[in-house]
Amino acid sequence: GEDVEQSLFLSVREGDSSVINCTYTDSSSTYLYWYKQEPGAGLQLLTYIFSNMDMKQDQRLTVLLNKKDKHLSLRIADTQTGDSAIYFCAEPFTGGGNKLTFGTGTQLKVEL
Amino acid sequence: EAQVTQNPRYLITVTGKKLTVTCSQNMNHEYMSWYRQDPGLGLRQIYYSMNVEVTDKGDVPEGYKVSRKEKRNFPLILESPSPNQTSLYFCASSLVAGNEQFFGPGTRLTVL
Repeated sequence: GEDVEQSLFLSVREGDSSVINCTYTDSSSTYLYWYKQEPGAGLQLLTYIFSNMDMKQDQRLTVLLNKKDKHLSLRIADTQTGDSAIYFCAEPFTGGGNKLTFGTGTQLKVEL
Repeated sequence: EAQVTQNPRYLITVTGKKLTVTCSQNMNHEYMSWYRQDPGLGLRQIYYSMNVEVTDKGDVPEGYKVSRKEKRNFPLILESPSPNQTSLYFCASSLVAGNEQFFGPGTRLTVL
C-alpha cells in the first residue's frame, strides 16, 4: 500500500509549539520527507529523516519517526506567523519509477 | 541559481483547446515528474521521466501527454483539455529516483 495520511488543519497561537502528524504505509522507505508550501508557491523541502533514525532536530524543527507504528511527526517550536503554510509528508514510492507519495497536506494557521 | 521553472504560471482556457505547459530545470537532473494538486487529495503524479526519451505513466495519466527530447525540458501537453483537468500543476526534478525532488512554482490551470 502507498497511502500517506495527515489531518487537514491545525491552528496554533504564535509562540506555541505545533505538531503535525503523518502515518505512512510503506515500511521499506529509506527516507521520509516534510515539504512546506506557502500560499501561491511551490513545494520546498523542509527537512527529511533517514528511516534508521528515530529523531532529527534542525533548529526549531524536530522530526520524530516511529517505524513500528509507521508514524512520522513534525514539531515546530515557537511557531511564528511565517510558519503558516501547508505541510506535506512524503515517502518515496518503492514500486518503481520516480514518485513521491504525498499526504493530503496539513494547513497550519498561526494566530496572534 | 538552481531552479525548476514552469510557464505559464496561470492559464484559463476552454474545453478542447490544446495547450502545453513547459517545464525546465538547470540542475542536470535525470528524473523529472509532473504532479497535479487538488484539495483534499494532496499531489498525484501524472507522468515521470527517467531520462531523455524515457517516460512512463504515473497515477493519473489520462488526458495528458509528455515528451522528453532534451534533458532539461519536460513539457506537459493537454491535447483536449476538459474541466476536470482544472488544477494546480507542479513539475519536479531529482538527481536520483526516490530522493529529494525540487519543485517548480506551479501552474494554475482553469478549463471552462
